[in-house]
Parts: sequence; structure tokens; C-alpha cells
Amino acid sequence: DAKTTQPNSMESNEEEPVHLPCNHSTISGTDYIHWYRQLPSQGPEYVIHGLTSNVNNRMASLAIAEDRKSSTLILHRATLRDAAVYYCILRWGAQKLVFGQGTRLTINP
Amino acid sequence: GAGVSQTPSNKVTEKGKYVELRCDPISGHTALYWYRQSLGQGPEFLIYFQGTGAADDSGLPNDRFFAVRPEGSVSTLKIQRTERGDSAVYLCASSLEGAGRLTEAFFGQGTRLTVV
Repeated sequence: DAKTTQPNSMESNEEEPVHLPCNHSTISGTDYIHWYRQLPSQGPEYVIHGLTSNVNNRMASLAIAEDRKSSTLILHRATLRDAAVYYCILRWGAQKLVFGQGTRLTINP
Repeated sequence: GAGVSQTPSNKVTEKGKYVELRCDPISGHTALYWYRQSLGQGPEFLIYFQGTGAADDSGLPNDRFFAVRPEGSVSTLKIQRTERGDSAVYLCASSLEGAGRLTEAFFGQGTRLTVV
């Protein structure tokens, strides 16, 4: 399984943008970049995924480097409800999702 | 039909006992995954079903763990001779999968298993 590297923790303030980085230097051409997050005492939930182009949805944006060796999840205006562990995962086809340690995001009021 | 449903939400059992954990996936989802999560760790893959068959069981830690999905819907994770180290939150996820499709996985709330 291709590996991803994320900071263990990050902190931000409410109503400010948050940029969560992920390095995946061994990504293959068919790997999609997925982001999931896990709120306290909940199962993980899907946030966004992409292959090459930047992606936007109602939850977040995903910016993918041109060489695809890194990506950034962008929360445009963080709220307290965005406090969670964020996981960056590489996935090809219907393979299992392989979770790392993720980034624990703390939002300050 | 809401999301993925897991029962029970909590289970306390004695060391050496047998337990069954149930997962009701979202209706129509062909893929079903089991994970377990220890405190402070990311979810760890156990097994993946495509329909009724186990497409990937490489994450099952040993032969005390077994999972079935006889009709391609509900799945049961079975743990024999439980050990204290089996204590964890067991998560189930389902998704629509098929050739050329790539869709999000929906997770249940999990079953917290405590072996005493």
C-alpha cells in the first residue's frame, strides 16, 4: 500500500481557513487521493477525493500538486464541528481504505 | 434506511467467551468492510466482502476471527475465545462498488467491545 505522511496535529481558529497537508511521494498513476475525517466517538466519514485536478465540494476543497506527490485539504472557514482526526488515504479501485494515524485538528473558539 | 447500522453498540464479555458483532449495510451496497480501532489509532482493516464472498481477508489477525455475509447484505463478525487484546471499537463500512466505480465508504458508529 502506498504510504501517506501527515502531521500528527494542527490547530486553527474558528472561522479561519485550514490547510491540512499530506505527502504521498510513492503514489502510483492509478491511485486516487481520498480524505476521511473522524469526529469524536463517530465512525469515519468521507470528505473528498481526487485524482489529478483540484476538487471542490460542499465540505472542502482538495488541492493536488502537479506531480501528485502531495495534496492539501482545505477547509475554507473552520467551525468547532470541524474538530476531528483527518485521514489522507491513497486508494486504487475497490481496494480497502488503509488508514494511517491522521492529523488531529483542534479548532479554537 | 438511514446509514450503516451496527449492533450492539457496546459489548462486554469475559475472556474466553465467543462474541458476534452485526453490521447492517446501506441497502444495495455490494461492498462491506470490517475494521477495528484501538484507542488513539487509526482504523485497522480486517476483511472486505464483495457480495457474499470475502474478497480480501488479509487483515484478520488470526483464526479466532471469522466473518460471514451469507446473503450479500447483513454481515456478522465472529470472535472465538476472546482475549483482552481484542478490546477495541469494531467498525463496519459499506459502499457501492463495481467495475470502474469508485465511491465513498459509509461507516457505522461501531461496536465497542470490552473483554474483561
